[in-house]
Amino acid sequence: GAVVSQHPSWVICKSGTSVKIECRSLDFQATTMFWYRQFPKQSLMLMATSNEGSKATYEQGVEKDKFLINHASLTLSTLTVTSAHPEDSSFYICSADITHGDSPLHFGNGTRLTVT
Amino acid sequence: GQQVMQIPQYQHVQEGEDFTTYCNSSTTLSNIQWYKQRPGGHPVFLIQLVKSGEVKKQKRLTFQFGEAKKNSSLHITATQTTDVGTYFCAGRGGSNYKLTFGKGTLLTVNP
Repeated sequence: GAVVSQHPSWVICKSGTSVKIECRSLDFQATTMFWYRQFPKQSLMLMATSNEGSKATYEQGVEKDKFLINHASLTLSTLTVTSAHPEDSSFYICSADITHGDSPLHFGNGTRLTVT
Repeated sequence: GQQVMQIPQYQHVQEGEDFTTYCNSSTTLSNIQWYKQRPGGHPVFLIQLVKSGEVKKQKRLTFQFGEAKKNSSLHITATQTTDVGTYFCAGRGGSNYKLTFGKGTLLTVNP
């Protein structure tokens, strides 16, 4: 159980375009989803926390107008990278939390974004 | 804010040798979790420690949580090539339900 599906697995886009990444919890309802970014050989850096039906909470230094997060239902959260630039190229991973504080995170497979 | 330090950053061992990675938090944690990420993959949950001084074992892996709930370690006995990957600790502090990840330890094993 506790499967998180993330799509697409990889995407290549041109500078200036927008890319949408989807994160779905397949067999459970995720009250909270987290979006992380991971650069090569680096740790996971939390970008934002999204709760169903409310605005996402962004970490310091993350531009909310550039990284748009929508959590429209208990099973779907989306991250849109707007006006992407080469420096946005990274590995983006979503994770879902069933309950606050006690449960492990269930990660999606990640999306490798390359902006040319 | 909460910080989680993890050392070493890299560790290369011969197959059969032991391996340990250490995590230290700037604040007291409510729980700590360990994840493994294979090259090109996503983090996979290994274990969660909650109690002060807790020790848990999974086959060749031994996880410890310090008495003060500020540090933790993962020890692998007699490493195998299948142990290759990056091991992350991640801590939750107090009422903050967000996980803070350590920088990870990349383990490579020479057969």
